[in-house]
Amino acid sequence: EMQLVESGGALVQPGGSLRLSCAASGFTFSRYDMHWVRQVTGKGLEWVAAIGTLADTFYPVSVKGRFTISRENAKNSLYLQMNSLRAGDTAVYYCARGITTGWGHTAFDIWGQGTMVTVSS
Amino acid sequence: QSVLTQPPSVSAAPGQKVTISCSGSSSNIGNNYVSWYHHLPGTAPKLLIYDNDKRPSGIPDRFSGSKSGTSATLGITGLQTGDEADYYCGTWDSSLRAVVFGGGTQLTVL
Repeated sequence: EMQLVESGGALVQPGGSLRLSCAASGFTFSRYDMHWVRQVTGKGLEWVAAIGTLADTFYPVSVKGRFTISRENAKNSLYLQMNSLRAGDTAVYYCARGITTGWGHTAFDIWGQGTMVTVSS
Repeated sequence: QSVLTQPPSVSAAPGQKVTISCSGSSSNIGNNYVSWYHHLPGTAPKLLIYDNDKRPSGIPDRFSGSKSGTSATLGITGLQTGDEADYYCGTWDSSLRAVVFGGGTQLTVL
């Protein structure tokens, strides 16, 4: 069974840092683009970061310079390093697999169950 | 403010058909492929449509997608109470070099 399992969510103070992990299984991890998507309670889905099979990375303006996505193919793992956290970063964070290659075709066919990040003093 | 525009809510009776629109621009929908997602808060989103009109394995043909110019549409026929959820469109934006989502549409099956 193809599966993604996130971990690392926690309560952190504003200005703090946190590292999320996502463990992949059931498919050849290295062959797929991977993403992080978040949802603030009561609001819509927001894409947070992407990393391609060649480790090229992309971010929205809202997190660029604060968040870093990385992958470790040998461990079938995806990471999101989050620094300078703000209250507005409080959300459920999902890791997701890109269904195919080519950024113009981006779609997410496998999602994790999500991990909660709360930024509060 | 989302880059892609969806109606906040739609509703229809069981058994009926509903469409959800997603409007963008030439930098996103106009030159890239659209996907659609079903989401119940607290659960993992589910891919319904990718590449504008393709259904992943396991998605019934009650769900359909189309694209014309800078707009896309999700259609759901034979509505069931279990279809009540939030629906999102998404695509790549070539100018932003980012994935963009619509604000989401809440479907109510009356």
